[in-house]
Amino acid sequence: SAVISQKPSRDICQRGTSLTIQCQVDSQVTMMFWYRQQPGQSLTLIATANQGSEATYESGFVIDKFPISRPNLTFSTLTVSNMSPEDSSIYLCSVHRVQETQYFGPGTRLLVL
Amino acid sequence: GNSVTQMEGPVTLSEEAFLTINCTYTATGYPSLFWYVQYPGEGLQLLLKATKADDKGSNKGFEATYRKETTSFHLEKGSVQVSDSAVYFCALRRGGGADGLTFGKGTHLIIQP
Repeated sequence: SAVISQKPSRDICQRGTSLTIQCQVDSQVTMMFWYRQQPGQSLTLIATANQGSEATYESGFVIDKFPISRPNLTFSTLTVSNMSPEDSSIYLCSVHRVQETQYFGPGTRLLVL
Repeated sequence: GNSVTQMEGPVTLSEEAFLTINCTYTATGYPSLFWYVQYPGEGLQLLLKATKADDKGSNKGFEATYRKETTSFHLEKGSVQVSDSAVYFCALRRGGGADGLTFGKGTHLIIQP
């Protein structure tokens, strides 16, 4: 299994501000993924982050709104920029490990007022 | 594009009842299929998986068989327990292992004693 930690675990933010979420993995992984889970909804993939290259964004998500960094093989950040109440969600990072298992972090619960 | 459709909840059953949660998918190629579970107050956990047609994934008494002819991956358990109360997500990943997951909307299962 993979041990994944996220910071912060939760936050309450004012609209118009930005929040950076950190994801740390206990071992090196090639691919990290960021998901959003809106209240009462399923998980939606935001982007895929490879070390040393630009993140790949899914339809409906753009780099200006959700910039991602991937400075090494165990760490990534997701920034939620210029927040609005519609950004209130749980944000999860995930990694792909051997035998096609994908592990998820505990999530960051964000409330935008 | 890829999509996953699963039965909407909540599904309420009595303890020791038989459980089926339906899941069908649309995808190109040969996706891998997964069931994830989210217990109250906890993170997302992999329950079981199948990577090719006719594979059966199983864990904790739950089973699901990858049916390519019906594009389905229904989750079953012969006798549910109160501790099985959770939200269950069906998901797929395109073949190759390099992509993130596409999730269904989730099914909230409630088991009554």
